[in-house]
Amino acid sequence: QQPVQSPQAVILREGEDAVINCSSSKALYSVHWYRQKHGEAPVFLMILLKGGEQKGHEKISASFNEKKQQSSLYLTASQLSYSGTYFCGTVEGYTGNQFYFGTGTSLTVIP
Amino acid sequence: EPEVTQTPSHQVTQMGQEVILRCVPISNHLYFYWYRQILGQKVEFLVSFYNNEISEKSEIFDDQFSVERPDGSNFTLKIRSTKLEDSAMYFCASSEGGTGSSYEQYFGPGTRLTVT
Repeated sequence: QQPVQSPQAVILREGEDAVINCSSSKALYSVHWYRQKHGEAPVFLMILLKGGEQKGHEKISASFNEKKQQSSLYLTASQLSYSGTYFCGTVEGYTGNQFYFGTGTSLTVIP
Repeated sequence: EPEVTQTPSHQVTQMGQEVILRCVPISNHLYFYWYRQILGQKVEFLVSFYNNEISEKSEIFDDQFSVERPDGSNFTLKIRSTKLEDSAMYFCASSEGGTGSSYEQYFGPGTRLTVT
């Protein structure tokens, strides 16, 4: 049920790009992405729906491959403020409101 | 900007005691959630609540836990007979619509529960 993310951790220099992957063993209706800074609550970044609709952050992009049950989050020209732990979240089918966060990816951006 | 609030920010309790964690969701939101996060681990879904009843719950949400919306604004999580392993950060969240309808969740700042 819990989506698996990769990599577990990544360190970037400012301006570099990163890709975070999220994979589920079950069919997905949608994928949500959240970022959590140390000691703070998760903050919404983006939702991707079946059929290609997206809503969310202007400077962060993501993809959703429904057939492969995977999503990727693309962070380009990273800034120091991008540091944090990124979680994908999945709703398995339109069953209601059971939401599973992924294993998390720790991203550190250094000057 | 509207926000989810939680009280207390930190709760220390002895094993076996009951605790109530309180949340005030965003006023026009209809769906409410509780999550927990053990230190250094992922965020785990506990329960979702809609229309004054539990919508979904996880395996973690056993008979030890209960939720209630006692009035028009508060949403509470009660943990009966706390155990050491209940020590975690507990987050409340709310959304306009259900996550199945693809609405984003807004999280409160969390309550750190320490069971001694």
